[in-house]
Amino acid sequence: DTGVSQDPRHKITKRGQNVTFRCDPISEHNRLYWYRQTLGQGPEFLTYFQNEAQLEKSRLLSDRFSAERPKGSFSTLEIQRTEQGDSAMYLCASSLAPGVGEQYFGPGTRLTVT
Amino acid sequence: AQKITQTQPGMFVQEKEAVTLDCTYDTSDPSYGLFWYKQPSSGEMIFLIYQGSYDQQNATEGRYSLNFQKARKSANLVISASQLGDSAMYFCAMRGTDSSYKLIFGSGTRLLVRP
Repeated sequence: DTGVSQDPRHKITKRGQNVTFRCDPISEHNRLYWYRQTLGQGPEFLTYFQNEAQLEKSRLLSDRFSAERPKGSFSTLEIQRTEQGDSAMYLCASSLAPGVGEQYFGPGTRLTVT
Repeated sequence: AQKITQTQPGMFVQEKEAVTLDCTYDTSDPSYGLFWYKQPSSGEMIFLIYQGSYDQQNATEGRYSLNFQKARKSANLVISASQLGDSAMYFCAMRGTDSSYKLIFGSGTRLLVRP
């Protein structure tokens, strides 16, 4: 049983560039969550999918952010026109619906915008 | 609104001793779940223990136990016989009461185990 994987682990980009992150959940999990964690804080919810449907987006997810989960498998999170305030750890988690059990987290993608 | 509060930014404990990490929560919903996660410097959030609001007994998982005091709205994590590998950030979280089941995290406590 492989865990949740994320790619890349680290990304350094210049302000204004677009970046895309990938998350591969545990294979039988149909719920997938994205969180953002800034330095010294706990993770904050961004969005989640039930299979391929994106069911909720946080107000933290501005128009520059978009997430997809084609075919209910892996998910991508894209940030367009990155800003320095986007620098954070982006965590992906998956769980079995209806979410009775715990969420299993990936190792995260650390984004640095210079 | 739901909220998790962790008032200890950092804690020290001597190896082999027990330590308690504090967590208080706020919710108006009678049904909720409480979690503790460990985050080592590598960044991955590792699930430690879960307590449901209707569970009669305090949860235990190996060296981890959750001191659940419903009336006080507290869910403290107790780590017994601390090990050097326990040095990490620890986050208390509450599962949202809407259908998303998203987690709401506290700000965390950094635990340092001294040899």
